[in-house]
Amino acid sequence: DTGVSQNPRHKITKRGQNVTFRCDPISEHNRLYWYRQTLGQGPEFLTYFQNEAQLEKSRLLSDRFSAERPKGSFSTLEIQRTEQGDSAMYLCASSRGGTYGYTFGSGTRLTVV
Amino acid sequence: AQTVTQSQPEMSVQEAETVTLSCTYDTSESNYYLFWYKQPPSRQMILVIRQEAYKQQNATENRFSVNFQKAAKSFSLKISDSQLGDTAMYFCAFIPFQGGSEKLVFGKGMKLTVNP
Repeated sequence: DTGVSQNPRHKITKRGQNVTFRCDPISEHNRLYWYRQTLGQGPEFLTYFQNEAQLEKSRLLSDRFSAERPKGSFSTLEIQRTEQGDSAMYLCASSRGGTYGYTFGSGTRLTVV
Repeated sequence: AQTVTQSQPEMSVQEAETVTLSCTYDTSESNYYLFWYKQPPSRQMILVIRQEAYKQQNATENRFSVNFQKAAKSFSLKISDSQLGDTAMYFCAFIPFQGGSEKLVFGKGMKLTVNP
């Protein structure tokens, strides 16, 4: 069990560029979650998967955000046409069932300049 | 609306003291799951303790325990014998389990500093 791995750890991008983040969950976990955390706030739900199926997506998420989990293992989160307001820590978590609690990764910090 | 309120943004305690972190939540669901997570500086979020709403007995994990008051929708965390390593942001969170959703709803967090 190597934990939840997120790459890259940091990403600086220019406004308008597209970015993609990767999350590798704990191998036994079939649920995978994406959250966004801004300074001084608690994490905000973006979306979650059970195996390869995307079960729920936040209504706050604009069409510029998309997530995939093609083979039910790793997941990618893509942000198109980044804006300064997208600057945040993007957290990935996995679980064998959410009600048992999530295991979080260390996050990807995005800075849009 | 499913919300979590942590009214104390920041607290500090002396090493070895006991501290209580408060949390209230709002939901119309009858069965849900409550959590406290700890986020040390520049480190990943860690699950501290978990409580199932249908269980009346308060959860305990070593030095950490909760006071769950379902009618009051209150879920406080007590840390006994505080240690320097307890310094972190603490987030109260819950899964309303509305329609089977496993979405975790977080409060804004509380910064705890344990002083030597």
